[in-house]
Amino acid sequence: SQQGEEDPQALSIQEGENATMNCSYKTSINNLQWYRQNSGRGLVHLILIRSNEREKHSGRLRVTLDTSKKSSSLLITASRAADTASYFCAQPGTGTGNQFYFGTGTSLTVIP
Amino acid sequence: DAGITQSPRHKVTETGTPVTLRCHQTENHRYMYWYRQDPGHGLRLIHYSYGVKDTDKGEVSDGYSVSRSKTEDFLLTLESATSSQTSVYFCAISDSYGTRGYNEQFFGPGTRLTVL
Repeated sequence: SQQGEEDPQALSIQEGENATMNCSYKTSINNLQWYRQNSGRGLVHLILIRSNEREKHSGRLRVTLDTSKKSSSLLITASRAADTASYFCAQPGTGTGNQFYFGTGTSLTVIP
Repeated sequence: DAGITQSPRHKVTETGTPVTLRCHQTENHRYMYWYRQDPGHGLRLIHYSYGVKDTDKGEVSDGYSVSRSKTEDFLLTLESATSSQTSVYFCAISDSYGTRGYNEQFFGPGTRLTVL
């Protein structure tokens, strides 16, 4: 399986704190993507980082990538209750279908 | 949900019955995917399509078949449903890389299937 793993599986923090989640993937990539899933909904694309980038920012999101360790992290700063969701990393596959392999996800709860 | 609908949204069925889930897109994207989501397993790819009548297996394809006769529709069929196929099923679409050099996936709202 090419499915990646995320750590921690669950995270609970107070509003205003930062949340960090980590992703490990298995094969070489040209980019890594992060998705968010609100309860009962489909996944939504958050941010992409290319293999030649080490860090990328988008609003309160910061993503880092270490290709030598095959790992990435997503940092959400100054968290809000509305950030409560599950977060998944995804690495593109190399087949004909442009398929993605998603991690197992981190469930984030932000307590107001 | 980016012009993607799934039907039905909820279904309860009995073991051994056939079930077909439908994914419909209005984005004219080339690629379509079926995933299942189970606690502790994240999303796992069942089948995908890279064009009309062009499909291939994902990592958990046993017990499932798919068809794509039109760009906009991708059907997932459970020939004889089993309790282990109780899950939430998501359809996703993506377009070709184009000039950006990457693509992303857009997801439907999901179908919750219970096999008794």
